Amino acid sequence: GAGVSQSPSNKVTEKGKDVELRCDPISGHTALYWYRQRLGQGLEFLIYFQGNSAPDKSGLPSDRFSAERTGESVSTLTIQRTQQEDSAVYLCASSIIIGRRGQSSYEQYFGPGTRLTVT
Amino acid sequence: GENVEQHPSTLSVQEGDSAVIKCTYSDSASNYFPWYKQELGKGPQLIIDIRSNVGEKKDQRIAVTLNKTAKHFSLHITETQPEDSAVYFCAASLPNFGNEKLTFGTGTRLTIIP
Repeated sequence: GAGVSQSPSNKVTEKGKDVELRCDPISGHTALYWYRQRLGQGLEFLIYFQGNSAPDKSGLPSDRFSAERTGESVSTLTIQRTQQEDSAVYLCASSIIIGRRGQSSYEQYFGPGTRLTVT
Repeated sequence: GENVEQHPSTLSVQEGDSAVIKCTYSDSASNYFPWYKQELGKGPQLIIDIRSNVGEKKDQRIAVTLNKTAKHFSLHITETQPEDSAVYFCAASLPNFGNEKLTFGTGTRLTIIP
């Protein structure tokens, strides 16, 4: 079946502009995560959605970053007034919760990412 | 919060030899440890994972070992092939029903020399 898709694949924007990054998770996956990957580094957690709610926003680096999810499906990550340090690959992952409380499906399926360059 | 360290940052191995990548974690409550392979221009792909109630898991040429006492886990790739060349990331997750956010290591660039 279709995997996680993200758009655009590449985005170049001028400093100070707003950008929106889109994630289409695997159909039926209730959990959705956003991560940021700076060049040559590991992935940093940004935000987690369960359904349309975001119980964990602890990784968002500043109030310029926000995200929403609708229809328990598509999610949009918005960065306002972009700065050069926002340049990175933004990755989305989805997973499905199964099993009893305390046991769940941990496998996160990642999309190909959006490479954001702020000039 | 959790902190994951990964070594080495780069690794070159002759084709057919074995490769070992090691990670340590800081929070003894972490209970899930996946390994991801990332090829150029692609998102990370899960290759193997292990939970804290298991000490070792193997899948064909790939194995992962976990030492909970020492808080470290390792990826072992045997009989390496050119297609194993990629960046490998380890990760750890604390038990939190429904929110298994992952803390990643900084990655190991593995190069298989033909």
